[in-house]
Amino acid sequence: QKEVEQNSGPLSVPEGAIASLNCTYSDRVSQSFFWYRQYSGKSPELIMSIYSNGDKEDGRFTAQLNKASQYVSLLIRDSQPSDSATYLCAVNEGNTGGFKTIFGAGTRLFVKA
Amino acid sequence: EAQVTQNPRYLITVTGKKLTVTCSQNMNHEYMSWYRQDPGLGLRQIYYSMNVEVTDKGDVPEGYKVSRKEKRNFPLILESPSPNQTSLYFCASSWREDTEAFFGQGTRLTVV
Repeated sequence: QKEVEQNSGPLSVPEGAIASLNCTYSDRVSQSFFWYRQYSGKSPELIMSIYSNGDKEDGRFTAQLNKASQYVSLLIRDSQPSDSATYLCAVNEGNTGGFKTIFGAGTRLFVKA
Repeated sequence: EAQVTQNPRYLITVTGKKLTVTCSQNMNHEYMSWYRQDPGLGLRQIYYSMNVEVTDKGDVPEGYKVSRKEKRNFPLILESPSPNQTSLYFCASSWREDTEAFFGQGTRLTVV
């Protein structure tokens, strides 16, 4: 069974701090990686996608991918109370894995004002 | 406005009564999926479709059917719902399987 694992949290950080969210995946053929944010009672929305090893930055968000270690992370700098949500890691296996998308169970983040 | 529309938003039904949850997208996306979300389990893919008339099973397809007769529509069918299918369901679409997914508003289904 292919898996995507996340620490369920909750992760609590003070306002202005860096929040670090981690995700590991079991399938080496995975090709596409995504971070989604989901507010309570709402639909997921994309924060970041990453496809190659290294860092990808977008505003206060940085995604990091290490395919050798099967690890992808999301850093949120200058965390704000509005960042409080559940963060979902997702992996797609592409044509080597049948095009399925697998989500982790999510990490709940609380940013304290 | 670009969107994915699911209906209904809320549904309470009885065991064994066939139901359909509709999903429509107006972005001309190739890839569409259905997910269920349960506490502690995250989003689990039920079925996905790469294009018209091309569908395949996700991780939890048992008890569900789908069809993709038109590019914009991807209905989810429960032929004989059971209480273990009580869940929050999301439809999603994207250009391809490796691009951003846009999600519908969700359908909260209760089977009694």
